[in-house]
Amino acid sequence: KNEVEQSPQNLTAQEGEFITINCSYSVGISALHWLQQHPGGGIVSLFMLSSGKKKHGRLIATINIQEKHSSLHITASHPRDSAVYICAVFFGNEKLTFGTGTRLTIIP
Amino acid sequence: DVKVTQSSRYLVKRTGEKVFLECVQDMDHENMFWYRQDPGLGLRLIYFSYDVKMKEKGDIPEGYSVSREKKERFSLILESASTNQTSMYLCASGRSEIYEQYFGPGTRLTVT
Repeated sequence: KNEVEQSPQNLTAQEGEFITINCSYSVGISALHWLQQHPGGGIVSLFMLSSGKKKHGRLIATINIQEKHSSLHITASHPRDSAVYICAVFFGNEKLTFGTGTRLTIIP
Repeated sequence: DVKVTQSSRYLVKRTGEKVFLECVQDMDHENMFWYRQDPGLGLRLIYFSYDVKMKEKGDIPEGYSVSREKKERFSLILESASTNQTSMYLCASGRSEIYEQYFGPGTRLTVT
């Protein structure tokens, strides 16, 4: 069965801390998305990865194809980073399979 | 910029009513998707469409139907709304054979 697991489910940190959210998947994939959803808001795509590493501002996403694992890092975290972060995977077709999300809260 | 719009941000309906949720995208995408999002369950695919007048069931199609008469518009229909269909509904679109999806703002539906 094609599955996506995220950890942790909830994460609370102080402003300025380095944040890591993890995503593991069960079988080979075509691509992986990291998505962000603010409270009451829609979903925004942060990164789309099929290999290696991508960086945008304070956000970094990495993927290890052999280990079937991806991480999303946030450097110098800020309260405005508080959101739900969702890992979503294309298992060889054009349908996404989603993790259940990580709720991140950054305390000033 | 890709734009995916949904007809309502918030909707309140009564049990048994017929409900239409509409989604429009402006990027000529072939693929369109309807998801529902529930706490603890994440996003689940209800229906998707690869082309006009084509539709395929997702993981949880029971109680829903869809319509795609034009390429830019994908409608989700609740024939007889029930309280267990209270949820956040998200539409997405994407280009065929490109592994990327763009999401709309969501419709929070409450069925009383």
